[in-house]
Amino acid sequence: EAQVTQNPRYLITVTGKKLTVTCSQNMNHEYMSWYRQDPGLGLRQIYYSMNVEVTDKGDVPEGYKVSRKEKRNFPLILESPSPNQTSLYFCASSLGPPGAGRNSPLHFGNGTRLTVT
Amino acid sequence: GEDVEQSLFLSVREGDSSVINCTYTDSSSTYLYWYKQEPGAGLQLLTYIFSNMDMKQDQRLTVLLNKKDKHLSLRIADTQTGDSAIYFCAESDKSGYALNFGKGTSLLVTP
Repeated sequence: EAQVTQNPRYLITVTGKKLTVTCSQNMNHEYMSWYRQDPGLGLRQIYYSMNVEVTDKGDVPEGYKVSRKEKRNFPLILESPSPNQTSLYFCASSLGPPGAGRNSPLHFGNGTRLTVT
Repeated sequence: GEDVEQSLFLSVREGDSSVINCTYTDSSSTYLYWYKQEPGAGLQLLTYIFSNMDMKQDQRLTVLLNKKDKHLSLRIADTQTGDSAIYFCAESDKSGYALNFGKGTSLLVTP
């Protein structure tokens, strides 16, 4: 089944303790992206990747890192989490960039709810 | 990103039609999308429309696009309780590397 898999689904951690949220897709998609969803703010893009070893900042990259060593995986790393990073995180992938001029809809994972105390 | 605007809430009775409206900002967006988010789940692509189309019908879903007014709507015919969810409108942003999402319309379908 074609899917984007995120782990864990729920995570509670303390300020400053490094964590990684994993994301994997099995559709051979080149483009992957991380969004966070917050009440009243909608979805905001954190980072995206056009292909292996190619990553770039989205709208809200501060406090986050990503890596793209393999095509299928795009982990999100919080080196020193803070309470303002408490949020619902979504990984998404698509064949190419969403605005590439061809129909390239994003496929989303089921989300990771992170709480930082 | 640019603002994509949607009304926040809509309540309809089961069996009625629902219309969810959206205004977007980038006239160069090639595709416009509607996503559905059920509780505890990720966003699921519902339908999309190419910018040179005025209308697209897909079973109970009808998408209308008014490019002049940058207005997009999603009509759900014969709305069911299972349609209760949050619906997001999205356009590709100016960079082409992200989708700009509206804040979502929470649809409540009552029996």
